[in-house]
Amino acid sequence: KAGVTQTPRYLIKTRGQQVTLSCSPISGHRSVSWYQQTPGQGLQFLFEYFSETQRNKGNFPGRFSGRQFSNSRSEMNVSTLELGDSALYLCASSPRRQEVLAGTQYFGPGTRLLVL
Amino acid sequence: EDQVTQSPEALRLQEGESSSLNCSYTVSGLRGLFWYRQDPGKGPEFLFTLYSAGEEKEKERLKATLTKKESFLHITAPKPEDSATYLCAVDRARDSNYQLIWGAGTKLIIKP
Repeated sequence: KAGVTQTPRYLIKTRGQQVTLSCSPISGHRSVSWYQQTPGQGLQFLFEYFSETQRNKGNFPGRFSGRQFSNSRSEMNVSTLELGDSALYLCASSPRRQEVLAGTQYFGPGTRLLVL
Repeated sequence: EDQVTQSPEALRLQEGESSSLNCSYTVSGLRGLFWYRQDPGKGPEFLFTLYSAGEEKEKERLKATLTKKESFLHITAPKPEDSATYLCAVDRARDSNYQLIWGAGTKLIIKP
């Protein structure tokens, strides 16, 4: 079974630009969560989607948004990029929300974003 | 303030030398504590979930335990392939949603 895939793997943008990251969950998984990982702040939860609806949201500004499609694939968008947005963005999938609540999530390799 | 603290930041062991990693937490309500392993260039890999004080979980050379204030990840006779960063996270939510607070991780290096 293929794992969680994220594209692109690496991205360089400049301040003020916007970026869209993509996540394809494991086949059959309907829940997708997004996380930001930085050396200073560690892992921080961004949001979770299940059946095309945002079910949970972390404490990030409105510049961070996401969506989920009917095939469970998800995209995350960051508008008006700031230097502090440089990070590894991780996507995780689970079959159902119960597994998410139990911590059983399958993470992708992440997209490393560098904002100059 | 809700907080998760992992110690030590880094740990170097010889192959076969057993040790423990610590995850201490201060949250207003604990619904679950999770351990993950992260290899360089990869996303975290789920290891264990603990729900209540006194609970223990085991997997190969790893054993996780939970008290009311902290969790330990015991590594018995580690091998070089156990080298990774070990992360713990706490779910402090009380409703159907969750709010994970992550520790900064412990980087474990096992020398052959």
